Amino acid sequence: DAGVTQSPTHLIKTRGQQVTLRCSPKSGHDTVSWYQQALGQGPQFIFQYYEEEERQRGNFPDRFSGHQFPNYSSELNVNALLLGDSALYLCASSSGHTNEKLFFGSGTQLSVL
Amino acid sequence: LAKTTQPISMDSYEGQEVNITCSHNNIATNDYITWYQQFPSQGPRFIIQGYKTKVTNEVASLFIPADRKSSTLSLPRVSLSDTAVYYCLAGLNYGGSQGNLIFGKGTKLSVKP
Repeated sequence: DAGVTQSPTHLIKTRGQQVTLRCSPKSGHDTVSWYQQALGQGPQFIFQYYEEEERQRGNFPDRFSGHQFPNYSSELNVNALLLGDSALYLCASSSGHTNEKLFFGSGTQLSVL
Repeated sequence: LAKTTQPISMDSYEGQEVNITCSHNNIATNDYITWYQQFPSQGPRFIIQGYKTKVTNEVASLFIPADRKSSTLSLPRVSLSDTAVYYCLAGLNYGGSQGNLIFGKGTKLSVKP
């Protein structure tokens, strides 16, 4: 049983470019959350998708957008990249039940030059 | 939102018991306390979760006093492989919504031989 998988593992972009990160949730999970983790900081919540809709959003600008597909996989898109967007982007999946633990992928390391 | 406070870092030696205390003074009635472990370049991994008193699993124990304003993660007989960052969360992951889960900066545990 595969856990949460993310692609790519590493990515280098330049300022102003756009990037798409992908996530496949753990089998049986229907909820996907995205987090941004800067070096030395804890993960910061970006948004969560459930039933193909954004259910909750953290304090991130509209440059960050996402999508969830019918098979529950998800994409995170970031437009007009800034140097400060350099971080580890984590995807976490869970079931739709209350208080289910989060299962995280290994993340995508994004470097913006 | 239930903000948590943890020590920034702790040192220990192999074979010792490690106790990491987390303060969550404004925890809400429905909030649970959850601990995650994170190794470098990996996503956080669930360790243990509890609401009150004591919870024990194969990895750790969680002690929560009656007032629930703090909690203590106990790792018995740590090894070098327990060197990681440990996050304490006080909140609730509602079904289909992250609810009010917030990751702080965590506690960096260093286990020495």
